[in-house]
Order: sequence, then structure tokens, then C-alpha cells
Amino acid sequence: KAGVTQTPRYLIKTRGQQVTLSCSPISGHRSVSWYQQTPGQGLQFLFEYFSETQRNKGNFPGRFSGRQFSNSRSEMNVSTLELGDSALYLCASSPFSTGLNSPLHFGNGTRLTVT
Amino acid sequence: GNSVTQMEGPVTLSEEAFLTINCTYTATGYPSLFWYVQYPGEGLQLLLKATKADDKGSNKGFEATYRKETTSFHLEKGSVQVSDSAVYFCALSDSGQFYFGTGTSLTVIP
Repeated sequence: KAGVTQTPRYLIKTRGQQVTLSCSPISGHRSVSWYQQTPGQGLQFLFEYFSETQRNKGNFPGRFSGRQFSNSRSEMNVSTLELGDSALYLCASSPFSTGLNSPLHFGNGTRLTVT
Repeated sequence: GNSVTQMEGPVTLSEEAFLTINCTYTATGYPSLFWYVQYPGEGLQLLLKATKADDKGSNKGFEATYRKETTSFHLEKGSVQVSDSAVYFCALSDSGQFYFGTGTSLTVIP
């Protein structure tokens, strides 16, 4: 079974630009969560989508948004990029909503660098 | 609120040494507990889990026991290998959200 696939693996953007990251979950998984990982802050929860609906949201500004499609694939968008947005963005999928405390299965991440 | 605290790293051990990485948690409900491992350049992989008090999770020689009385979920391995070098994250899931510790970097030297 294919794992969680994130594209692209690496991105370099300039301050003020916007970026879209993509995540394909494990086949059959309906929940997709996004996390930001930085050396200083560790793993921070961005949001979770289940059946195309945002179920939970972390404490990030409105510049960070996401969506989920009917095939469970998800995209995350960051607008008006800031230097502090440089991070590894991880996508994780789960067969059920995380409300059932089922484990997360992570992709290898997208490394975003903002210059 | 919910939170996870794990021991600061980095940890350096010789091959075949005994490993303990401490993890304690605070939770308002009845969380599930997890250990994840992250190898360089990769995402997090589930190492083991426990869903209720006194459960023991185990995988690849690693073990952790869900201790409600001490709110702990310490990771142990009897004999580490060079290939165990990675960053280890303790996490809890409660009422629909995951909370991760800051990670403990482990280096095993031959």
C-alpha cells in the first residue's frame, strides 16, 4: 500500500509570495492533518480535514488555509509568505477522524524555504 | 490543557546500551499515547502505541507502558543499534487533536 505522498519535496519562495502544498493520503484514509515543524517550535498543528470538512484548526493566522477534495487529497496554501514560515510541512492521514484517536501516518514532508 | 513533556536531548549511547527516553503527559480526558520516530530527511513513523492505562506498546525491540498513576509513557529498548539513531517523539491524542513532545535526538555510536 502506498504511503502518504507530499509534493513537492522542496520549495524556495520569496517573501510576499504564496505557495500551495499537496498531500495524497493512504488509500482509504479520509482524514488529513497538516503540521508545521521547526527547530524552535517543534511540531505545531495547523488543521485537520475529514470528508472535505475542516474538523480542527490550530493557532495559525488566516494566511494558512487548506482544503480537501472528494478523493481525500488535500492542499495547503500559505499566502503573503514571511521569513518565519520557513519550515518542514508535514501531512498525516488516518482512516478515521482523529477524534477516534487513531494513529497518524505521516508523509516525508515539504521543505519550504522563504527568502 | 493537554501537553507532553519529554526529556531533553541529545542522547548519545554506545551500541548495545540500554535506552530510556522519559515522557510525561497532562491530559483532560482519556488519551491514547504514541511514540513516533523520525529519521533524517523523512516524516514521522509510528513506532508504538497504547490506548488505555497499563497497556504496553511494543515494536522492533522498543517498549512503553501507559502509566496513568504517574502520567508517564517512557520509551525503553534493551540493546540499541546504530540504525536506531533518529529523533523520537512522544505524543498523545485526546478528543480529536494530537499533541507532540519536542523530540529527543538519539545517536548510537559503534
